[in-house]
Amino acid sequence: KQEVTQIPAALSVPEGENLVLNCSFTDSAIYNLQWFRQDPGKGLTSLLLIQSSQREQTSGRLNASLDKSSGRSTLYIAASQPGDSATYLCAVIRNAGGTSYGKLTFGQGTILTVHP
Amino acid sequence: DAGVIQSPRHEVTEMGQEVTLRCKPISGHDYLFWYRQTMMRGLELLIYFNNNVPIDDSGMPEDRFSAKMPNASFSTLKIQPSEPRDSAVYFCASSFLWPPEKLFFGSGTQLSVL
Repeated sequence: KQEVTQIPAALSVPEGENLVLNCSFTDSAIYNLQWFRQDPGKGLTSLLLIQSSQREQTSGRLNASLDKSSGRSTLYIAASQPGDSATYLCAVIRNAGGTSYGKLTFGQGTILTVHP
Repeated sequence: DAGVIQSPRHEVTEMGQEVTLRCKPISGHDYLFWYRQTMMRGLELLIYFNNNVPIDDSGMPEDRFSAKMPNASFSTLKIQPSEPRDSAVYFCASSFLWPPEKLFFGSGTQLSVL
């Protein structure tokens, strides 16, 4: 059974800092890995998607990396801003085979607070 | 497009009552998903549909939960009878791809069962 773990559970940083959020998964047979953002009282918004054959993806100040063999992904946020405050979740989709194929398994998320 | 629309946003009910949550997916999306989010268990997939047909309901916790998709633009998740442990945020999401590489979530329904 795929398990996804995110560390740290919560992070508080001053504005302007570069930060790294970590995600690990137990089964390396993944189709892709996605990072989502969730604001309080809102649904999830997709930030970045990394295919299993890729090593990283970038969008603006966000950079996500994937090391499938070690079961790890990191989300790097450069020059953090108060508007980045939210919960960040990673999710993996299992590769072909079995009843879990195609389903997303989510981590518990990292609650990020960026204070001015 | 207005995105995935869920109603109600908040629902407070008493134990034993029937609860119906509603979802309108994005037009053209063939896949619809119901998720439940709690502090203890995080986000869990309850059921998903493809072209209005339930494909996998293995995440539905028990027989008190049922979901339907009578047409491409509407789905319901029903809990009958409701229990306090059903209190959670219920999300609907839709996708036009499989696997769902781009998943669009609604704003969720915050359910409180007293």
